Amino acid sequence: DQQVKQNSPSLSVQEGRISILNCDYTNSMFDYFLWYKKYPAEGPTFLISISSIKDKNEDGRFTVFLNKSAKHLSLHIVPSQPGDSAVYFCGGLTGANNLFFGTGTRLTVIP
Amino acid sequence: EAQVTQNPRYLITVTGKKLTVTCSQNMNHEYMSWYRQDPGLGLRQIYYSMNVEVTDKGDVPEGYKVSRKEKRNFPLILESPSPNQTSLYFCASSLPGLQNTEAFFGQGTRLTVV
Repeated sequence: DQQVKQNSPSLSVQEGRISILNCDYTNSMFDYFLWYKKYPAEGPTFLISISSIKDKNEDGRFTVFLNKSAKHLSLHIVPSQPGDSAVYFCGGLTGANNLFFGTGTRLTVIP
Repeated sequence: EAQVTQNPRYLITVTGKKLTVTCSQNMNHEYMSWYRQDPGLGLRQIYYSMNVEVTDKGDVPEGYKVSRKEKRNFPLILESPSPNQTSLYFCASSLPGLQNTEAFFGQGTRLTVV
């Protein structure tokens, strides 16, 4: 049973506009949520995280929002750039340091 | 340069022939783990290790073994590979504790079992 779900396999956005990637989870015991970005032929790289006790974390063009009551988080990228085109994985981290990932969303930023 | 190194990057093997994928990190991280990435299933954890000589099963451990004899290395062993283990494998390492949420991933090993 998938504990972290990314229901949109792909997303296309015009350069300069906002990209919003969504993620839902079922495990109430996650202590942190993380976003990773993955380019082809490379390993995932860490992008941004948020503690389960926060509702927002911002790092430059990237902002993650957490809605615990809805068990939903989202990643906002503003403004989107062509170099942001990649697969984005949402993950939930337990207290035992186990990281559960969603299935990923492929973002394409169109110049 | 801080990194996680996996070898080999690509491997084609036959069913039943034992193989080992090596993983090494130079960041002195206690925590290491293995994932497999499959279409439509995302990244799923196979095994993890909290420290030397401490390993535990992840989500999909069947058909795999690991060992952690030293801190920097965490090899993944397939004793008798089968075609359903054809996948893209990633090793990752991180510091323990929730304050260290960033995991560093290797570049991946694409395994094909025929």
